[in-house]
Amino acid sequence: DTQMTQSPSSLSAYVGDRVTITCRASQSISRYLNWYQQKPGKAPKLLIYAASSLQSGVPSRFSGSGSGTDFTLTISSLQPEDFATYYCQQSYSTPRTFGQGTKVEIK
Amino acid sequence: EVQLVESGGGLVQPGGSLRLSCAASGFTFSSYWMHWVRQAPGKGLVWVSRINSDGSSTSYADSVKGRFTISRDNAKNTLYLQMNSLRAEDTAVYYCAREETWGTYYYFDDWGQGTLVTVSS
Repeated sequence: DTQMTQSPSSLSAYVGDRVTITCRASQSISRYLNWYQQKPGKAPKLLIYAASSLQSGVPSRFSGSGSGTDFTLTISSLQPEDFATYYCQQSYSTPRTFGQGTKVEIK
Repeated sequence: EVQLVESGGGLVQPGGSLRLSCAASGFTFSSYWMHWVRQAPGKGLVWVSRINSDGSSTSYADSVKGRFTISRDNAKNTLYLQMNSLRAEDTAVYYCAREETWGTYYYFDDWGQGTLVTVSS
């Protein structure tokens, strides 16, 4: 199975900050990497697929990059509604493993 | 509008069984692979199982293999998860998710609201 490791596990930031979350795969997954946002009590929401493609309706302040084993989710200017937990997920193989999550909190 | 609505969760004793359902609408259900993902209280997302579009192929996480069975009824636009020999560690919110395809890339673009399964005596 492909293990996904995110860092950091949590972070505190101000509104307006640039935030970067990283995700590392235990083996090469090309660009088969997705990012989801989850707010408390809600289902996850797709943000980015295929490493860098922005899902329809998602604000352009979200962007993704990377290939192989190392990937990044960037929020260019953090907004109040962005405080949530973010998960990466590989879709290169089954099982479709997720990272452990990164909780983004208000500073 | 795509809708996925889970049901069937509840409190069950260890060793018991439960069947979850996920009613789909707003899209051609029979064209999509479907997945179950769970989330234990305060924990992260964990993939559980998937089924291909016609139900002929399934896959499971090692933690549920031999105990859980995924199935679908394309005539009823419904996905199922039969859970047997339940353990305390199966306690979680269970989500169904639709897997979209873009070229050779795959992603979960729609999720249900989740149904809570609690395994406790």
